[in-house]
Amino acid sequence: DIQMTQSPSSLSASVGDRVTITCRASQSIDNYLNWYQQKPGKAPKLLIYAASSLQSGVPSRFSGSGSGTDFTLTISSLQPGDFATYYCQQSYITLLSFGGGTKVEIK
Amino acid sequence: EVQLEESGGGLVRPGGSLTLSCAASGFTFSGYNMNWVRQAPGKGLEWVSSINSRSNYIFYADSVKGRFTISRDNAKKSLYLQMNSLRVEDTAVYYCARDADRGYGPDLDSWGQGTRVTVSS
Repeated sequence: DIQMTQSPSSLSASVGDRVTITCRASQSIDNYLNWYQQKPGKAPKLLIYAASSLQSGVPSRFSGSGSGTDFTLTISSLQPGDFATYYCQQSYITLLSFGGGTKVEIK
Repeated sequence: EVQLEESGGGLVRPGGSLTLSCAASGFTFSGYNMNWVRQAPGKGLEWVSSINSRSNYIFYADSVKGRFTISRDNAKKSLYLQMNSLRVEDTAVYYCARDADRGYGPDLDSWGQGTRVTVSS
């Protein structure tokens, strides 16, 4: 199995801040890495696939980078609707796995 | 518009059984691989099971292998999860999710609203 570790587990930020979330895989997964956003009581929403490809309809302030074992999700200018929990997910092997999540809260 | 709607959740005793359904609309269901993902109260996301479009490739998380069975009926545009020998730790919201299958492994581009399963005595 591939373990996914996110950091930090939570962060406080203000509207307009640049936010970076990190995800590390327990082995190399090339660029088989996806990012999701989840708001309370709602289903997850796909933001980024294949490490850096923006899902259709997702604002361009979201970006992803990385390859191998280390990946980042960046929000260039945090907006009020971006306060949520973010998850990474590896798609390198069929037994999928998610990171533990990063909760982005209002400072 | 792609829509996925889960149903079948509820309260069940430990050791009991439950079958979840996911009704798909707005896309060619028979052309997509599908997944079940769950989320225990206050916890993160856990992948449960996947099935390919033709039902000849099926995978399970170790935590449910031997107890859960995923299936689909392409004519009915429906996905199922038969859950047996339920445990307290299976308590969660269960989501069905579509695999966009863009060549980089499963990325789940559409999700249902979830159905809640509570296992308790």
